Formats: sequence, structure tokens, C-alpha cells
Amino acid sequence: EVQLVESGGGLVQPGGSLRLSCAASGFTFSSHEMTWVRQAPGKGLEWVSYISSSGSTIYYTDSVKGRFTISRDNAKNSLYLQMNSLRAEDTAVYYCARVPDWGQGTLVTVSS
Amino acid sequence: QAVLTQPASLSASPGASASLTCTLRSGISVGTCRIYWYQQKPGSPPQYLLNYKSDSDKQQGSGVPSRFSGSKDASANAGILLISGLQSEDDADYYCMIWHSSAWVFGGGTKLTVL
Repeated sequence: EVQLVESGGGLVQPGGSLRLSCAASGFTFSSHEMTWVRQAPGKGLEWVSYISSSGSTIYYTDSVKGRFTISRDNAKNSLYLQMNSLRAEDTAVYYCARVPDWGQGTLVTVSS
Repeated sequence: QAVLTQPASLSASPGASASLTCTLRSGISVGTCRIYWYQQKPGSPPQYLLNYKSDSDKQQGSGVPSRFSGSKDASANAGILLISGLQSEDDADYYCMIWHSSAWVFGGGTKLTVL
């Protein structure tokens, strides 16, 4: 069974940083592309970033380019999202996904 | 114009069928896309329902009842999620998703009310 467990969310001030982690199990992590998706309170789903199985190909949505960095450690079966220069509009639940499966999400709140 | 457009809301009665549409922007052919469908209830993460590319290329999510099915309407350039035999537990938000131009793209979601 695919399991994706996010961690690292919390309350951070505008301009601050957070690093999200996603622990994957139940599948061969190194063989699969991974994705981060977010959902602001009361809003729809928004794709954030994609990374290929080897990490050689990476994509971001425009609103996070230059601020967020996706990475992975295939030896640790883990996916990461380094978030810098956080803004109020980054407040959301962040989900780790190996499409079509998703984790339970971790809440990031950017507020002073 | 958004890449994927879903009606904001839809109401249907228990036992009836509901057809949820996901219309692709002009210039993006539904025939070439694999469309994923998710159900989300308040306070919970999205749950995968199924994906559909063609009648011979589709997958049902694990444990998802067969009354949830996917199809396409080529004339409308749209993907369709059909829910038959509606139950009160189907009251939820539904999202479609495709891979387009090196990004996962979501529709805005349809709030299905079963009443």
C-alpha cells in the first residue's frame, strides 16, 4: 500500500522559511515522479512542483519560482520542499503526491 | 481562459445519476489527455476515484465503487465523471486533473450536493 506522510508544516512569519518533508513507502520510490500540490483554505487545488524519478527534471508553478526548491533523496525514500521568502498567499495545506496517490497533507500558515 | 473548467455546483437527488463535466480549453484536445478525478470531503485530503483516457485505457481507484465511471465527450472537448445511484455520502467536491505543458493542472472543482 502506498503511504505518503508529510511533515514540517507550521506557523511562519512573512519572509520566513520552512522545509517540508514527505516520507514515502509501499512502492519503489526511486522509480517514480513526485509532486507537491497545495490547497489554500476554502480554495481549490493548485499544483506547486514536480520532480522526475532521478531528480534531473524539475518544474514549478510560476508563483513559487525562485522561492521554492523541490528535491528528493532516493536512498531515504523522501521528498522535500524548501520554501523561502514565504508570503501570506502561500498559506495552504501542502500535499505530497505520487499521482494518483496523495498524502494527508501538512498545514503551512504564513502570518505575523 | 482556464485550462480546465468545471461547473461550480451541481445538485441531484439520491438514487439519480450525476454527470460532472471537465471542459478543456480550446486548443487542447480531450482525446489526447488522461483525465484524473478526485473526490474531497470537508477536512479530508482528496481521494482518488479514477482516471480515463479511453474505454480501453482507464483505471478505477482501489475500492472505488463501479457506480463511479469516466468518459469523454469529444464534441464538447470534455471529460465526464458519471456517478450513478447517488448516495448521501457522494455529497462532496470533485476535481479533475490533467498533465499539460509540464504541469499538473486542476479544474476549479464542482460541489455536488445530494438532496
